[in-house]
Amino acid sequence: DTGVSQNPRHKITKRGQNVTFRCDPISEHNRLYWYRQTLGQGPEFLTYFQNEAQLEKSRLLSDRFSAERPKGSFSTLEIQRTEQGDSAMYLCASSPIGHQLSGELFFGEGSRLTVL
Amino acid sequence: GQQVMQIPQYQHVQEGEDFTTYCNSSTTLSNIQWYKQRPGGHPVFLIQLVKSGEVKKQKRLTFQFGEAKKNSSLHITATQTTDVGTYFCATGKLTFGTGTRLQVTL
Repeated sequence: DTGVSQNPRHKITKRGQNVTFRCDPISEHNRLYWYRQTLGQGPEFLTYFQNEAQLEKSRLLSDRFSAERPKGSFSTLEIQRTEQGDSAMYLCASSPIGHQLSGELFFGEGSRLTVL
Repeated sequence: GQQVMQIPQYQHVQEGEDFTTYCNSSTTLSNIQWYKQRPGGHPVFLIQLVKSGEVKKQKRLTFQFGEAKKNSSLHITATQTTDVGTYFCATGKLTFGTGTRLQVTL
């Protein structure tokens, strides 16, 4: 399977715990994006990498959220001290490099987080 | 910041009827993309529009980019049950619209 892979697919945690999600993009894609989506809403941009460099981060993103892409391949999204409002689907997408900011995004199946 | 609104939020049609969703931005866009998300699925890329006034067709789907590059539309001719899902526009600044959920019944 050469698509975008995310795991775990589901995570249930108690409020205050830390969680980490992993995304493996399509291998030749330089760009990697994280989005959050709640029921009935569109994907909300969180952050984006080009290779290992984190180029943009949403101003709405709490300091409890951190993302890394240390070797320019897979990425992790960590949420510290989770809150019930963090419950959502966390989507990862990748895109081949281009001269413009945007290009076709290939999304993974997502990681669903439930905070009790 | 950039805001992208879509109308309608929801539309229910009978199979064979046409459907249109509109995307409006508060700022001029460099390009716009459209995605489809099936219930329980993830967004899937449909098309990207770049030029002012551009019109592109994919079988029964027609996409249009406004002359002022601040709005776009997606029109589906003769809907089928396979068209069910939520349609999102997305701007070059990685902002997704609010989405239009389409329900098609026989």
